[in-house]
Amino acid sequence: GAVVSQHPSWVICKSGTSVKIECRSLDFQATTMFWYRQFPKQSLMLMATSNEGSKATYEQGVEKDKFLINHASLTLSTLTVTSAHPEDSSFYICSARDWRVNIQYFGAGTRLSVL
Amino acid sequence: QQQVKQSPQSLIVQKGGISIINCAYENTAFDYFPWYQQFPGKGPALLIAIRPDVSEKKEGRFTISFNKSAKQFSLHIMDSQPGDSATYFCAASDDEKLTFGTGTRLTIIP
Repeated sequence: GAVVSQHPSWVICKSGTSVKIECRSLDFQATTMFWYRQFPKQSLMLMATSNEGSKATYEQGVEKDKFLINHASLTLSTLTVTSAHPEDSSFYICSARDWRVNIQYFGAGTRLSVL
Repeated sequence: QQQVKQSPQSLIVQKGGISIINCAYENTAFDYFPWYQQFPGKGPALLIAIRPDVSEKKEGRFTISFNKSAKQFSLHIMDSQPGDSATYFCAASDDEKLTFGTGTRLTIIP
């Protein structure tokens, strides 16, 4: 099956620093990738939709300047959490849509801990 | 109208039994209904999915039943095993974004 690779799997950073998370589709091209946030024992909350070569579309309530998304190629999207604070600590998950079958495949997630 | 309601929130089933999780939706534009399985600390993995042109889809021990008129769909796990213990999410899509249910924590006991 299709593989989506997400790195890093776990990152700890100091408050005020920025953290970049990468999401790669390994065996298919993804014109659209998605970024989710998940709090403990809760469902996935869509943060933004990332389209290759264009600006990301953010969901209501998600700060564009805090969560920078770049989708520079058909296999790579990045999420940068800028000036991270403890309240940004969460589990971030990306997904990539395989346009051939219109199915979203998910990465393994990144646990961000901001001290 | 974008909500997907999922029940139960948690479920305990004896090994070998049938696990049943239900979802209901409002948006009639939804045309793709996947189920995802998630283990702690991992991303969701696609388990099985259905489109509204069929009422049932079976893959191994997993079956989706779909009732278009009632706007409901359910996941049945036959012969449930301890390795099935995980959180299950239903979802619905209108060819754009996925809307997730709230999740069901399934525990299979010996």
